[in-house]
Amino acid sequence: DADVTQTPRNRITKTGKRIMLECSQTKGHDRMYWYRQDPGLGLRLIYYSFDVKDINKGEISDGYSVSRQAQAKFSLSLESAIPNQTALYFCATSGGTGATYEQYFGPGTRLTVT
Amino acid sequence: QKEVEQNSGPLSVPEGAIASLNCTYSDRVSQSFFWYRQYSGKSPELIMSIYSNGDKEDGRFTAQLNKASQYVSLLIRDSQPSDSATYLCAVGFDNFNKFYFGSGTKLNVKP
Repeated sequence: DADVTQTPRNRITKTGKRIMLECSQTKGHDRMYWYRQDPGLGLRLIYYSFDVKDINKGEISDGYSVSRQAQAKFSLSLESAIPNQTALYFCATSGGTGATYEQYFGPGTRLTVT
Repeated sequence: QKEVEQNSGPLSVPEGAIASLNCTYSDRVSQSFFWYRQYSGKSPELIMSIYSNGDKEDGRFTAQLNKASQYVSLLIRDSQPSDSATYLCAVGFDNFNKFYFGSGTKLNVKP
């Protein structure tokens, strides 16, 4: 089984709709991250969390919110989706016993906002 | 101002050659450096991490870090067509609290 899973893998939604992307991990890591990837722009950090009670904004948090429901679960919400939020979204984790700062990515969610 | 810069490529090398990928970063206090490989439509896969100046080798891959010149590179020896992918450089800042990614270099290895 994959260590970092994301649901859904693909989603098409309409402008103005609320949508939630979910991430779960079995790596035992304490740090979790949400990134979006756009062609030519690389990965940009949306939000990150170092534990259940610690959530921080990344470089492009406007229009997004997150929830850390448990150490293993980190969800990203788009309150009112807009077309320029069409992108590939990745969840990542790092840390754990004998912690290193290497990040491990989930398979991604391809989101299209029409 | 971009924190991490990479040449977008594509970089084309023949099979069996050495591919050299470069990355520069802007923050002198950066502490951790990573190379990821990403196939089209897939998630980034960690190849190497390096934290100290010098070279670090893992199989066909060698990461090189020069903090004084603020660059990190990845050498791929005996390049294979399966190495064709986009390679992302990532740099850790702010006491490992933040990571910035370059936009990636596309590598084509021709049979």
